[in-house]
Amino acid sequence: DAGVTQSPTHLIKTRGQQVTLRCSPISGHKSVSWYQQVLGQGPQFIFQYYEKEERGRGNFPDRFSARQFPNYSSELNVNALLLGDSALYLCASSLGWQVREQYFGPGTRLTVT
Amino acid sequence: GESVGLHLPTLSVQEGDNSIINCAYSNSASDYFIWYKQESGKGPQFIIDIRSNMDKRQGQRVTVLLNKTVKHLSLQIAATQPGDSAVYFCAETLSYNTDKLIFGTGTRLQVFP
Repeated sequence: DAGVTQSPTHLIKTRGQQVTLRCSPISGHKSVSWYQQVLGQGPQFIFQYYEKEERGRGNFPDRFSARQFPNYSSELNVNALLLGDSALYLCASSLGWQVREQYFGPGTRLTVT
Repeated sequence: GESVGLHLPTLSVQEGDNSIINCAYSNSASDYFIWYKQESGKGPQFIIDIRSNMDKRQGQRVTVLLNKTVKHLSLQIAATQPGDSAVYFCAETLSYNTDKLIFGTGTRLQVFP
């Protein structure tokens, strides 16, 4: 069975640009959560979407936004990129909205120069 | 592969020895805890969980201990194998049925033959 998939694997952007990251959950899963993992730290919660609605939001600026599509895939958008946005962005999917059922994807490595 | 953390605390053990990885969590009100394993180039993988009404839980080769008095969590790995080499994170939540995980910094486990 396919796990959580994310695209692209890596990308490099310049300060001030915008980026869109994509996530496909495990088949049948209705919830997608996004995490930011800066090198040397644990993942930090950004968003959770369940049944296409935002259910939770972490302490991130409004430059970060996300959405979930009818097929439960999700996009994370980051505007006006800063150097500090360089990180591994992880997507996790779950059947319900409870974190104990989450499965993580391999992440997208974003480098902002 | 992708390096999760370059400056994490590191535990080095010999193959076959037991490993103990420690974690100090932040919120005395946290009700549910999860240990994750993150290998290079991959997302976090669930290892074992424990609720706050327990002080010990065992899985296959792993045991989690919870000391709520001092807000301390530990992961014990029996007969450590080279495949156990990874970064290990503890995560806490306020509720078993919550939608948000708070991750710790992580510990790198290196297993030598």
